[in-house]
Amino acid sequence: DVKVTQSSRYLVKRTGEKVFLECVQDMDHENMFWYRQDPGLGLRLIYFSYDVKMKEKGDIPEGYSVSREKKERFSLILESASTNQTSMYLCASSLGDGTYNSPLHFGNGTRLTVT
Amino acid sequence: GENVEQHPSTLSVQEGDSAVIKCTYSDSASNYFPWYKQELGKRPQLIIDIRSNVGEKKDQRIAVTLNKTAKHFSLHITETQPEDSAVYFCAANRIRNTGKLIFGQGTTLQVKP
Repeated sequence: DVKVTQSSRYLVKRTGEKVFLECVQDMDHENMFWYRQDPGLGLRLIYFSYDVKMKEKGDIPEGYSVSREKKERFSLILESASTNQTSMYLCASSLGDGTYNSPLHFGNGTRLTVT
Repeated sequence: GENVEQHPSTLSVQEGDSAVIKCTYSDSASNYFPWYKQELGKRPQLIIDIRSNVGEKKDQRIAVTLNKTAKHFSLHITETQPEDSAVYFCAANRIRNTGKLIFGQGTTLQVKP
């Protein structure tokens, strides 16, 4: 069974801090994603990566960056946290079949609060 | 831009009744439509998906229908049970945007015993 592990379940950070959210998957998936989940807005894609050191912007990349130095690890970085980045962050991975039609496997999420 | 609209946002049914959640999509080239279920405090998990070459797919009490002409697809849950209570998300892939999924806003389903 695919396992996607996010390093923290809950985080509280102060405005202006640099924040790292870590995600590791154990199924050798090529694709990895970072989503943000807010009530009434569904899941919105922040960034995704289809290979090591490759990244592409999603729908809401502003204020975020990502890093993928190894295939199994995908990090989301908030360069200078702001209160409007308080949210649930979900990491996901999927097989790289070239179509993005393979199922997403999600982590348990990190609930970030920025005060 | 491309979007997926999902309705209703909340749905309450009695145990044993059926529940229907509807989604419309804007990208006429979309060809993959998954549904995810997220129980309280847990991760979203795929429960069923459909591709554009079929009109309906069933898996026990769950079915999904697709109308490509109208660009809408629906999730049908029959004989609902309390454990069906969750948030359900529909999604569609965006062919013109490297195929990434775009999600609907979510439907909170409550099944009353």
